[in-house]
Amino acid sequence: SQKIEQNSEALNIQEGKTATLTCNYTNYSPAYLQWYRQDPGRGPVFLLLIRENEKEKRKERLKVTFDTTLKQSLFHITASQPADSATYLCALAGGTSYGKLTFGQGTILTVHP
Amino acid sequence: DADVTQTPRNRITKTGKRIMLECSQTKGHDRMYWYRQDPGLGLRLIYYSFDVKDINKGEISDGYSVSRQAQAKFSLSLESAIPNQTALYFCATSAVRGTAESDTQYFGPGTRLTVL
Repeated sequence: SQKIEQNSEALNIQEGKTATLTCNYTNYSPAYLQWYRQDPGRGPVFLLLIRENEKEKRKERLKVTFDTTLKQSLFHITASQPADSATYLCALAGGTSYGKLTFGQGTILTVHP
Repeated sequence: DADVTQTPRNRITKTGKRIMLECSQTKGHDRMYWYRQDPGLGLRLIYYSFDVKDINKGEISDGYSVSRQAQAKFSLSLESAIPNQTALYFCATSAVRGTAESDTQYFGPGTRLTVL
């Protein structure tokens, strides 16, 4: 069966460092992968989308990589700030699942001052 | 996101009661979704609708039903609530595939449902 796993349930880092979150998947051939941010008590908010034929995407301090051979995406936040503290979710879609997303369980990131 | 609203925001009910959660959107999107979120399990798809006449079951539809009253409105019902349906429920929308933003989903603020 299809499985998506975000390797760390929680990640703690110091302000100014780079946070790296991992999303792995099995039994899946996604056409694209998305990353969302979720703050406590609120709905997820879209951050970045990367397609299967793209290796890397950047947006300000955010960078996403997508390795379809390793079946893995890495999400980086450079020069992290306490305001980056949140839960980050990866989501995949593809094949017969266009328009539907399958979400990982999320990684809780805490950036300490 | 204020463009997607959910009512109620919080609800406490008892086992066996019928509950309806409502979702409205002003984004003009054709596609709407209902998810539930449980600690450690992420978001799981309950039902989705690609247009007013299209309703599809997601991975965990048992015990739930939906109604797409209009392009802008998508309701989720629990016909006879049970305690393991206690969760955070989210509605989301996305545009029709083929547009520039079609692959992004926009979420409402969520409804926290407790079934005693």
